[in-house]
Amino acid sequence: QVQLVQSGAEEKKPGASVKVSCKASGYTFTDYAIHWVRQAPGQRLEWMGWINAGNGNTKYSQKFQGRVTITRDTSASTAYMELSSLTFEDTTMYYCARVGGNYGLDYWGQGTLVTVSS
Amino acid sequence: QSALTQPASVSGSPGQSITISCTGTSSDVGSYNLVSWYQQHPGKAPKLMIYEGSQRPSGVSNRFSGSKSGNTASLTISGLQAEDEADYYCCSYAGSGTWVFGGGTKLTVL
Repeated sequence: QVQLVQSGAEEKKPGASVKVSCKASGYTFTDYAIHWVRQAPGQRLEWMGWINAGNGNTKYSQKFQGRVTITRDTSASTAYMELSSLTFEDTTMYYCARVGGNYGLDYWGQGTLVTVSS
Repeated sequence: QSALTQPASVSGSPGQSITISCTGTSSDVGSYNLVSWYQQHPGKAPKLMIYEGSQRPSGVSNRFSGSKSGNTASLTISGLQAEDEADYYCCSYAGSGTWVFGGGTKLTVL
């Protein structure tokens, strides 16, 4: 069965970077894109960007352009999201999600909580 | 991009029908038939309920339906059940490889 398993919770200081992983299983990794979505406590879902796992092409939300980098390791069937210059406002849950052939996000990771604290 | 506009909350009694709207612009909802809807229970990851505006993934109840008119997409849930109480988010393709979510709607089953 399709699964996306994300790395564990992180605590970072302001100004630092964080890299979250998303390991896929149960399907051919390079056949689907992976999106990254974040959600602050009690807040809405916010789209950050995505990667075509096949060719590595990426697209980022303007809001995070310059601060976010999404990569993938096809040999490990894993996608990564790195966010730099962290501020307290980046304290939130980060999700990866697979794009189905129908452009819906059909499978989601369990989420990774990133806490930015001094 | 600005978030798509959803009502903050809706409510209904068991057995009733409710509709959640999702208003965008001619650059996103109005231009593409790529609106999806997600259900999120507290502490859980979102779940895909509708894709391409009106299509249901396998396993999703046919009580859930989607539609679109102009710049506004809608999710209708008929025969409300207690388990439908959750947050609902719409999402649309916004061109140039970008996507945008709605602000979310909290559904309360009275």
